[in-house]
Amino acid sequence: DQQVKQNSPSLSVQEGRISILNCDYTNSMFDYFLWYKKYPAEGPTFLISISSIKDKNEDGRFTVFLNKSAKHLSLHIVPSQPGDSAVYFCAASKDGGTSYGKLTFGQGTILTVHP
Amino acid sequence: SQTIHQWPATLVQPVGSPLSLECTVEGTSNPNLYWYRQAAGRGLQLLFYSVGIGQISSEVPQNLSASRPQDRQFILSSKKLLLSDSGFYLCAWSVGGSGNTIYFGEGSWLTVV
Repeated sequence: DQQVKQNSPSLSVQEGRISILNCDYTNSMFDYFLWYKKYPAEGPTFLISISSIKDKNEDGRFTVFLNKSAKHLSLHIVPSQPGDSAVYFCAASKDGGTSYGKLTFGQGTILTVHP
Repeated sequence: SQTIHQWPATLVQPVGSPLSLECTVEGTSNPNLYWYRQAAGRGLQLLFYSVGIGQISSEVPQNLSASRPQDRQFILSSKKLLLSDSGFYLCAWSVGGSGNTIYFGEGSWLTVV
């Protein structure tokens, strides 16, 4: 049972344009969501997170939007840069701070930003 | 600042051989520690987590085990590897007691042949 889904395996974007990465979840108990970026043969790097009490969180070029009613979140990267090319993972956890960081990950989306 | 290291970075092991992957965290005390695995073409799956020395919780039944002999040391082991154990193994940590944001190590590639 895939509780966190990233239905787009890949996304290709031109440099300078917006990249929108999508993620859907099924478990209504999830209340904290994160995005990680991963280069080949490296561990994932934390990018940005959002609590279920918010619908938007922004950090520089990265913005995460949460739509709880649709059980959907998205990561916007503006403007996209070639160095953003990587695999992006969406992750979710439940029970607030008591779940001890047990994250459920999506399958990942490969983002390619063309110069 | 906190750092996390795991080794070895790559490993090729025959079926039936033992496994030991080691992970250490520096710059923090009493962290929560995790082992994740990324199998080919799949997302990251939580294997084990630990909230303290000697305290290990397993998330999925498998051929692997974990141990935490010291506060900032986490070890992933197997007595006899299977082909299906191949994958990219990641150690991670988060702030003890809370902290849903976890931070990953560099990862270890395991190929069982």
